[in-house]
Amino acid sequence: GNSVTQMEGPVTLSEEAFLTINCTYTATGYPSLFWYVQYPGEGLQLLLKATKADDKGSNKGFEATYRKETTSFHLEKGSVQVSDSAVYFCALTPGGYQKVTFGTGTKLQVIP
Amino acid sequence: DAGVTQSPTHLIKTRGQHVTLRCSPISGHKSVSWYQQVLGQGPQFIFQYYEKEERGRGNFPDRFSARQFPNYSSELNVNALLLGDSALYLCASSLVGSGVYEQYFGPGTRLTVT
Repeated sequence: GNSVTQMEGPVTLSEEAFLTINCTYTATGYPSLFWYVQYPGEGLQLLLKATKADDKGSNKGFEATYRKETTSFHLEKGSVQVSDSAVYFCALTPGGYQKVTFGTGTKLQVIP
Repeated sequence: DAGVTQSPTHLIKTRGQHVTLRCSPISGHKSVSWYQQVLGQGPQFIFQYYEKEERGRGNFPDRFSARQFPNYSSELNVNALLLGDSALYLCASSLVGSGVYEQYFGPGTRLTVT
């Protein structure tokens, strides 16, 4: 079946540091890949997505590239802010269906 | 426009009881999905409904059931509650039932079973 593996947290960074959160996936066919973010006390929000190999999703300074050869979708940001502190979930949907398979989440804490 | 709304926000139930959770999708959205998020884990897919029909079911026991109404709102029912059912229950809506359309999540209902 489909699965998503992401690095365990928590990840603690100083403000303006570079962020990488690793994500790899297992899926049949050609899944679409997503990063969701969950701020404290709030629901899930879609951060970015990529629907085919070599696509780069980007939003709010975050980027992730769909790498089919390594089955990866790592999240990066060049300079994190305190307001980026949240839990980040890597996720996928199989082609043509809406069931979302999530990773376990990575908690990011950014300190001033 | 209002986002996805869920009620109640919090709920405390006793083992063996029954619970009903409610979800109203964004206006115009016809698909509703339900997820269970246990503390410290990622959400797990429970059901998807589109045009009042079940279109997908996750690996959950028959104690879990759901339905979608003509106005596209949805209810999730859980019978014979267990301690392990304590979780945040998330509802998500989208425009259509398949294809890569963004799912919009509600704030969730926090269920505690004692």
